Amino acid sequence: EVQLVESGGGLVQPGGSLRLSCTASGFTFSGYVMTWVRQAPGKGLEWVSAINGNGGSTYYADSVKGRFTISRDNSENTLYLQMNSLRAEDTAVYYCAKKLVGSGWGPWGNWGQGTLVTVSS
Amino acid sequence: EIVLTQSPGTLSLSPGEGATLSCRASQSVSSSSLAWYQQKPGQAPRLLIYGASSRAPGIPDRFSGSGSGTDFTLTINRLEPEDFAVYYCQQYGTSPFTFGPGTKVDIK
Repeated sequence: EVQLVESGGGLVQPGGSLRLSCTASGFTFSGYVMTWVRQAPGKGLEWVSAINGNGGSTYYADSVKGRFTISRDNSENTLYLQMNSLRAEDTAVYYCAKKLVGSGWGPWGNWGQGTLVTVSS
Repeated sequence: EIVLTQSPGTLSLSPGEGATLSCRASQSVSSSSLAWYQQKPGQAPRLLIYGASSRAPGIPDRFSGSGSGTDFTLTINRLEPEDFAVYYCQQYGTSPFTFGPGTKVDIK
């Protein structure tokens, strides 16, 4: 059974940093595109970043480019999101998700439960 | 960036009725790389449809998707009580992999 468990969320001051982790199990982690998607309180879904199986290719939303870095450790079956220069508008639940099947960057068929990041002074 | 527009914003229906949700893209979605997700309060999104018309594993056949290019539709036949939720379309063919704003299907 595929399982994705996010951790690392919490309260951080504006301008601060946080690193999210997503621990995966139940599938061959290195074989799949992984992604981060966030949802601000009461709002819709916003794609944040994606990474291919070997970590050699990444994409970012314009809203986080230059501030966030996605990475993965295939030996530890873990996906990361390093978030720097955090702003109030980064406050959201952050989900990690796994690509379903096939070529390309999506769709995302398995999701974690999410971790809440709150940026506030 | 491909902007996705969903309509209507809210759909008020009764159990047993059918629902038709629309998703329009600002430019053609490559290789029909269009997905639909369902989200209930406090839960993670759930993939329903991918490739515009393929049902994800375990999704009941009352859910169907259609369309190509810039116009896509999610159809739900005979709404069950558990189908009342928010539905998002998303394109994953061209970065940034954008979501639509969602359509809320609520109980009339």
